[in-house]
Amino acid sequence: DAGITQSPRHKVTETGTPVTLRCHQTENHRYMYWYRQDPGHGLRLIHYSYGVKDTDKGEVSDGYSVSRSKTEDFLLTLESATSSQTSVYFCAISLTGTNGYTFGSGTRLTVV
Amino acid sequence: QQQVKQSPQSLIVQKGGISIINCAYENTAFDYFPWYQQFPGKGPALLIAIRPDVSEKKEGRFTISFNKSAKQFSLHIMDSQPGDSATYFCASHAGGTSYGKLTFGQGTILTVHP
Repeated sequence: DAGITQSPRHKVTETGTPVTLRCHQTENHRYMYWYRQDPGHGLRLIHYSYGVKDTDKGEVSDGYSVSRSKTEDFLLTLESATSSQTSVYFCAISLTGTNGYTFGSGTRLTVV
Repeated sequence: QQQVKQSPQSLIVQKGGISIINCAYENTAFDYFPWYQQFPGKGPALLIAIRPDVSEKKEGRFTISFNKSAKQFSLHIMDSQPGDSATYFCASHAGGTSYGKLTFGQGTILTVHP
């Protein structure tokens, strides 16, 4: 996906360990979002950012934190990973917040 | 909690047929309704979108029909092709100071048989 990169693409981690996922964009878009995708639930918003150091919670934020110290990077941290956080995580960006998203390719996280 | 309900969960269509996916929303403040298409192993990609000031929008074989009074909108795929086989998500955006947050439906897995 042009202009937005997620890393890592796959990760297996143990319960109780901290995990950080990275989203990097080269589009200079103001808005960035972290979603998780689970069967039967669609995409659910975890956290979002509307500017550098400006972040807020989404509908499923418990157990997650985020940071955005510069425009291009938005980090998602699972403070102490649990099996319920096994999921596919997508980052998305938006220029204006009113014209839809561009999604990254996702990170498949497995917590064992 | 704002919700968007999408149906059906899965859909099987023959090549050349019409695929129809429906979504219903609750929040009358929603002002932008995009559809996303997702292929396995990829992120969702914007397919087509509509705003509530029009009742229909068509782009090629893809059409969104929007019924504001019923708070429903649907995606129609005409002349469905095997390459259309993917997961489709509807979404809704609340206006004002929502910072572009989208609320997604549960997704529909579309399979088009050759």
